[in-house]
Amino acid sequence: ETGVTQSPTHLIKTRGQQVTLRCSSQSGHNTVSWYQQALGQGPQFIFQYYREEENGRGNFPPRFSGLQFPNYSSELNVNALELDDSALYLCASREMPGLAALPQFFGPGTRLTVL
Amino acid sequence: AQSVSQHNHHVILSEAASLELGCNYSYGGTVNLFWYVQYPGQHLQLLLKYFSGDPLVKGIKGFEAEFIKSKFSFNLRKPSVQWSDTAEYFCAVKGSQGNLIFGKGTKLSVKP
Repeated sequence: ETGVTQSPTHLIKTRGQQVTLRCSSQSGHNTVSWYQQALGQGPQFIFQYYREEENGRGNFPPRFSGLQFPNYSSELNVNALELDDSALYLCASREMPGLAALPQFFGPGTRLTVL
Repeated sequence: AQSVSQHNHHVILSEAASLELGCNYSYGGTVNLFWYVQYPGQHLQLLLKYFSGDPLVKGIKGFEAEFIKSKFSFNLRKPSVQWSDTAEYFCAVKGSQGNLIFGKGTKLSVKP
């Protein structure tokens, strides 16, 4: 078990709706990253937040957005859901961005199904 | 752009068999490499990592990996697998934004 928690565990939405996923990072970690893991694929980087600002982004459209709060918890928002957004969404936290020596700790994920 | 390839989609072994999972990366410069494991119903966990120095890296649970720069490879090995090693294994490289770039994963099934 890591100290990273995510909510909800599972979620079912319909196409066109909006969804918010939440993550609480491990104590002392100020950097949060979000990944999308589609079925049969490895996790893909969505974006990263450090001190409440986005400081890295993968190849995802603007309808994927996020927030980081002063307590370093984070939200991932997805607007105008599409069927292909169905995936496991993973949150990872670490002490500082960019330093590979510092491990990332992953949460259990939120399974999103879009119908 | 950096990428990671994992050769095997699904590997089935009997207990006590030796394991080697292939991983190749695309970037030719300095790389930071990782192996993560995802046990059924659990979160991703770091098995081992390579930054520099000794190309043979030892990780948790008896796993090791060898970095071969000339082959752009970072294969994961274990001399004798156990049923409890049944899981999905992901190779990853550090991206330019400090993110992780993962391969598609290899599912390992160990028969008791």
